[in-house]
Amino acid sequence: QKEVEQNSGPLSVPEGAIASLNCTYSDRGSQSFFWYRQYSGKSPELIMFIYSNGDKEDGRFTAQLNKASQYVSLLIRDSQPSDSATYLCAVNHWSTNAGKSTFGDGTTLTVKP
Amino acid sequence: DAGVTQSPTHLIKTRGQQVTLRCSPKSGHDTVSWYQQALGQGPQFIFQYYEEEERQRGNFPDRFSGHQFPNYSSELNVNALLLGDSALYLCASSFGGRSYGYTFGSGTRLTVV
Repeated sequence: QKEVEQNSGPLSVPEGAIASLNCTYSDRGSQSFFWYRQYSGKSPELIMFIYSNGDKEDGRFTAQLNKASQYVSLLIRDSQPSDSATYLCAVNHWSTNAGKSTFGDGTTLTVKP
Repeated sequence: DAGVTQSPTHLIKTRGQQVTLRCSPKSGHDTVSWYQQALGQGPQFIFQYYEEEERQRGNFPDRFSGHQFPNYSSELNVNALLLGDSALYLCASSFGGRSYGYTFGSGTRLTVV
């Protein structure tokens, strides 16, 4: 079992729809969670982070965390073609590997005009 | 804005050769983590340097080594290159030996032939 698992996709949504990206993790000691966006041929860029259970909103993006279910998700509202990219979920185990992020393999999102 | 700088951008090497990749972290950051990203996969943690020391290491052989200089820049060295070392090598900078979310460089694409 991989430490961080994501549906590889591809996930295809029409422009203006809500895209929902999911991530599960195996280490219950994980304490901080990150979403990165990676355009094809580019490096990842941080778009959201969340530490506490519940929702965190930033513009069109909402991160949701449920530590009991070991589940973190990213919602993209009013999806745009420019949101088409691979979305990487990353997890940190704060106490022992504070500086290390473990990444999933990413979900590829395509937003169709 | 002094972002994360990596060099070179592309590199072609022959099996058995040695390679050195370089990274300058973002201004204000003092921690450098190196990741390897194979095509279609998420970044895999190689190691992290903080205060000129290797603080954490992932599951990579000793052929992978590194260094951090007093100005916080870092080098990744790979000896005895294998075909399987072909990948995108990403440098991620952060602060204080921890990761509140990395800033990635544009990466070095290494091809081993």
